[in-house]
Amino acid sequence: QSALTQPPSASGSPGQSVTITCTGTSSDVGGYKYVAWYQQHPGKAPKLMMYEVSERPSGVPDRFSGSKSGNTASLTVSGLQAEDEADYYCSSFAGSNVLFGGGTKLTVL
Amino acid sequence: QVQLQESGPGLVKPSETLSLTCTVSGGSLSSSYWSWIRQPPGKGLEWIGCVYYNGDTNYSPSLKSRVTISLDTSKNQFSLKLSSVTAADTAVYYCARNRVPGGYWGQGTLVTVSS
Repeated sequence: QSALTQPPSASGSPGQSVTITCTGTSSDVGGYKYVAWYQQHPGKAPKLMMYEVSERPSGVPDRFSGSKSGNTASLTVSGLQAEDEADYYCSSFAGSNVLFGGGTKLTVL
Repeated sequence: QVQLQESGPGLVKPSETLSLTCTVSGGSLSSSYWSWIRQPPGKGLEWIGCVYYNGDTNYSPSLKSRVTISLDTSKNQFSLKLSSVTAADTAVYYCARNRVPGGYWGQGTLVTVSS
């Protein structure tokens, strides 16, 4: 099984919205509700931003939202702020395996 | 508040076995999956495998032949062993709760494979 596909980079100006996609197959993203998103700042451990496609953990701003259509999951960040600049990774349950995306570097212009 | 902490040697020689332990505090190992994930320098995250509280395991197909993950409930710890390591196994190794890692991660520990 291959890694999930994410765009290497994304960007937006403060206050704008940006959407990061995560494309898999019917054997992973498309087949299960267990898709998660993580934010990682340099030198830090990943932080859970979304689980089960669209569930937001306590403490994560409601500017972050998740969705899924077919084999593609998406993370949308609305009202971009400087502190949102980070790497973002998706992950998905895939039967007896778990896959990660290659990561997207989000730049706040 | 559940906390996880990785521990183990930061330097391992090629062909030897990498061994790490994750100590869980503020909660028990019961009723959860516990995972290991790694991140080579400058690269993305890779799921290594997980162990359920009853001892059942799942491993990444790409690492399955070299990986063993086990539990020690008496110490509230779970462990990773990766055999026959090469320079490609140099990475920050994280432990985390849940099979698809959730909100609880360790801080990560860098393991370098070098002679």
